[in-house]
Amino acid sequence: GENVEQHPSTLSVQEGDSAVIKCTYSDSASNYFPWYKQELGKRPQLIIDIRSNVGEKKDQRIAVTLNKTAKHFSLHITETQPEDSAVYFCAASRGGGGNKLTFGTGTQLKVEL
Amino acid sequence: GAVVSQHPSRVICKSGTSVKIECRSLDFQATTMFWYRQFPKQSLMLMATSNEGSKATYEQGVEKDKFLINHASLTLSTLTVTSAHPEDSSFYICSAQGASGSTDTQYFGPGTRLTVL
Repeated sequence: GENVEQHPSTLSVQEGDSAVIKCTYSDSASNYFPWYKQELGKRPQLIIDIRSNVGEKKDQRIAVTLNKTAKHFSLHITETQPEDSAVYFCAASRGGGGNKLTFGTGTQLKVEL
Repeated sequence: GAVVSQHPSRVICKSGTSVKIECRSLDFQATTMFWYRQFPKQSLMLMATSNEGSKATYEQGVEKDKFLINHASLTLSTLTVTSAHPEDSSFYICSAQGASGSTDTQYFGPGTRLTVL
């Protein structure tokens, strides 16, 4: 089955700096890679996703890159703000309806003033 | 769009009792729903995948007789924790898949905090 590794487990940055979280996956058939943000006690919220037919996707301060050959993908947050502080999870699946997600272990991001 | 609700948000029960958790997709028909369990400071662990009108598919190590899943309609799935014990205390989260324009995206419910005394 799929195995997703995520690094780092914790990340502290100064407000305004950039944050990068990296994930690797094992299943070469995976082609859908979402990122979720989860605040304490709340639901995971989809912040961005990428499919294997593109290498990069951007939405305002958030971007995701995908390297299918190396089987890794990364989340980039620029101009970080205190409200970006949360746990971020990457995930991978084979895409399509009914296919399950395999989640990474999560990254606790803390944006300090 | 793509709103998922979950009820109750929090439940405290005595050991040996059963607890039912409901997951509803409010503005779309969910072809598939998923049930996860999350321990503090840990990732989401998939328990089972549920399709409307068919039996749920359980992940390895998850007891199907203890965690009963019913997916009676395209907008409702239920998880019943039978004969709950303190070790079943956890945060249970459902997700739903099938929103138009994004058939593989999973949208999560707000979770249910279960405490078994």
